[in-house]
Amino acid sequence: GAGVSQSPSNKVTEKGKDVELRCDPISGHTALYWYRQSLGQGLEFLIYFQGNSAPDKSGLPSDRFSAERTGGSVSTLTIQRTQQEDSAVYLCASSFDSYYGYTFGSGTRLTVV
Amino acid sequence: RKEVEQDPGPFNVPEGATVAFNCTYSNSASQSFFWYRQDCRKEPKLLMSVYSSGNEDGRFTAQLNRASQYISLLIRDSKLSDSATYLCVVNILFSGGYNKLIFGAGTRLAVHP
Repeated sequence: GAGVSQSPSNKVTEKGKDVELRCDPISGHTALYWYRQSLGQGLEFLIYFQGNSAPDKSGLPSDRFSAERTGGSVSTLTIQRTQQEDSAVYLCASSFDSYYGYTFGSGTRLTVV
Repeated sequence: RKEVEQDPGPFNVPEGATVAFNCTYSNSASQSFFWYRQDCRKEPKLLMSVYSSGNEDGRFTAQLNRASQYISLLIRDSKLSDSATYLCVVNILFSGGYNKLIFGAGTRLAVHP
């Protein structure tokens, strides 16, 4: 597509439920990143994919968080047993060459109640 | 010490003013540099890349000083529409051969009539 697409745009879930967030990068972009941003805070790196592999998972905050990427394209970020502190905007970005910067999707706003 | 540091502001300036934002980074393996703009409740969008020679795009001028590990953004003739958070971003090459964008926490700009 023309841009990075994320779904859903908004998600409200009950504490303890699992959620799955989806990112569809720009066609041809091999690098894909997940960040999250809590209200009024800066961007926090979560995970990076190059193709289908994830050389850097260092930002995942706990083992409740996992991500995968298939076919070098779509990525899903899964949060198990959601907690209220997981509430944030989850942003996906992609790039064909990181040297030139990334393009962000519009994010998924997750609210855990 | 944070890898990328910015003055959080806010900078409150009148229309037509010139305003400058500064940013310092700590990792000498930084390869490329950017300024992103983020509007309230929106995703970050690439404003401009920053090159060693300095670069200009209309009212915006960005400069990089690698020796001092310092980046700047100058906005001339501020418009109301320039009100946003400006994110200093550094692309770092890691030993595993992958890149990662590190974001500053952002500088808030408010332009008033």
